Formats: sequence, structure tokens, C-alpha cells
Amino acid sequence: DTAVSQTPKYLVTQMGNDKSIKCEQNLGHDTMYWYKQDSKKFLKIMFSYNNKELIINETVPNRFSPKSPDKAHLNLHINSLELGDSAVYFCASSSLQGGTEAFFGQGTRLTVV
Amino acid sequence: GNSVTQMEGPVTLSEEAFLTINCTYTATGYPSLFWYVQYPGEGLQLLLKATKADDKGSNKGFEATYRKETTSFHLEKGSVQVSDSAVYFCALSIRAGGTSYGKLTFGQGTILTVHP
Repeated sequence: DTAVSQTPKYLVTQMGNDKSIKCEQNLGHDTMYWYKQDSKKFLKIMFSYNNKELIINETVPNRFSPKSPDKAHLNLHINSLELGDSAVYFCASSSLQGGTEAFFGQGTRLTVV
Repeated sequence: GNSVTQMEGPVTLSEEAFLTINCTYTATGYPSLFWYVQYPGEGLQLLLKATKADDKGSNKGFEATYRKETTSFHLEKGSVQVSDSAVYFCALSIRAGGTSYGKLTFGQGTILTVHP
């Protein structure tokens, strides 16, 4: 029944590793997003896909690569993890066509050690 | 560009006190305004929204009115409960058209703690 689900919820990894976070939505929305929440709780958009097409790509290191295999899924792959990547990553979805607000997943807390 | 400014926190109140969290914005275009809430260890939930000037959003006893003349969307609740303890985010999104594609611009968040 979960509308937007992310896995894993917690991720602890060493510097230099590569990791992925997965997101799925069952709301039938056409647009999905990745947001990053830093240690001070500040939220900033990273990427957005509309119907599998990348439409927003904020100033994010190219170690971060989003992939949308279909409009219900948006994954985030991070190469060569750095300490500064530690944050909570939120997936969200909305319907641009329907003008709905964004629905958020539970977040993935990434800790790089 | 677009930006949202919230009052600095943290805010600490006793149960049944009146709550106001100030939020002002700058935007190009016609924004929709939102308040999201993040309970400890959880994701963001939409608390309320308003899509045009003078609209009032309300939910769970919380209210906020879209004031175009003062570019504000202050959150209020008449009597807070311990269960309202959370982080509150004001946000805006530019409506259809342009290149914003529904992305949310958030304020910095306000931590609210309510004591019994």
C-alpha cells in the first residue's frame, strides 16, 4: 500500500564504494524526483524525471547518476562515495499533468565512513 | 530565482499553546505554496497547501493563508499537542509552464518541540 517506497532505509558504507538506492511509486504519477537532506535538515532537489526523461539536473557531482527504467521507478547510483555524501536522500513523485503535490518516500539515510 | 525563508528555530512550546511559524517567499511566476511536516525518523508528509492568492489551506488544526501582498504563508495552530513535535517545512512550486517542472523549493525547516 506504500505510495512511494525506497530501499534501503539505512545504508552504511566505506569511502570509495559504489552504492545504489531504489525508489518505486504506485500512484501512477508521471514525474519522480530525488532530494537530498543535509545534516541541518535542509532539502534540495537533485534530479527529476518525467516519463523516463531527465528534466531537472541540478548542480550535482557526476558521481551521482539517476536512472529511470520506467515511470514508476527512479534509482540513484553513486560512485566513489565521499564523506560529504552522507545525508538522507528522499525520493518523491507527482503528476505534472494532473497538477498534484509531491508525495515523498521514507528516505534513505546514507552514512559514509 | 525562487526562495523560501522560514523563521529560525527551534521552537519550544507547552501543550495547548498557540503556534505561529513564519514563512515568506520570493518567486518568479505563480507559485503554489505548501507546508510539509517531518516526524522523527520519517519522510515528509504534506500538511496543507494553497494554490492561489487568498486561499487558506487547513489540516489537523493547522492553517495557513496565501498572502500575495506580503509574499507570506505563515503556519498557525491554536492549540498544539505533544504529537505535533516535528520539523515543519514551508515550500513553493511554480505551477504548470516554464522549466520548474514541479520541483519544490524548501525553506530551512523549523524544529518544533511541544512539552506536556
